[in-house]
Amino acid sequence: DGGITQSPKYLFRKEGQNVTLSCEQNLNHDAMYWYRQDPGQGLRLIYYSQIVNDFQKGDIAEGYSVSREKKESFPLTVTSAQKNPTAFYLCASTIRGMNTEAFFGQGTRLTVV
Amino acid sequence: LAKTTQPISMDSYEGQEVNITCSHNNIATNDYITWYQQFPSQGPRFIIQGYKTKVTNEVASLFIPADRKSSTLSLPRVSLSDTAVYYCLLQGNNLFFGTGTRLTVIP
Repeated sequence: DGGITQSPKYLFRKEGQNVTLSCEQNLNHDAMYWYRQDPGQGLRLIYYSQIVNDFQKGDIAEGYSVSREKKESFPLTVTSAQKNPTAFYLCASTIRGMNTEAFFGQGTRLTVV
Repeated sequence: LAKTTQPISMDSYEGQEVNITCSHNNIATNDYITWYQQFPSQGPRFIIQGYKTKVTNEVASLFIPADRKSSTLSLPRVSLSDTAVYYCLLQGNNLFFGTGTRLTVIP
């Protein structure tokens, strides 16, 4: 079945450590996105990529980094520069275009301990 | 960047029709209006999308006036399982979510 997969579902990180969240899709979608969601809040865009080897900053890119070496994969690294990384992280993908449904992964809950 | 404005929360009794309105005064010509539903600790799920006039599918209707500066999501006969957060997006070259509307369905 086609879909978008995030792993792991739960992740714990010590302060000062970098951590990478995985996002893989087999939908042949061009565009991929990373969002952060804090409790009771909406989704805030971190980074997005419309095509392989290209990505753009969203509203809250500071302290995060991404890569897009393959169409299927868009990993997000939460660096030690991110001051408050504890949050729910969501990855999404769409066919590149204006009127297409976005598919979301089930999310990764990151907790800094 | 285009922005959307929705009510923060709404309550409704089971079996009633619910209408959630979204304002988007700065909508661009190539923006489509899309609504998503999100349950706690899950990714959002697509509900409906439209460009103008009215769109209906098996779960909802979307009403868009001629000027496209607002839109209304209509959920017929809501049930307890419709309790969720509903997001209105202007889907153009990107996906920017607002704060959404928290709908609570009361028995």
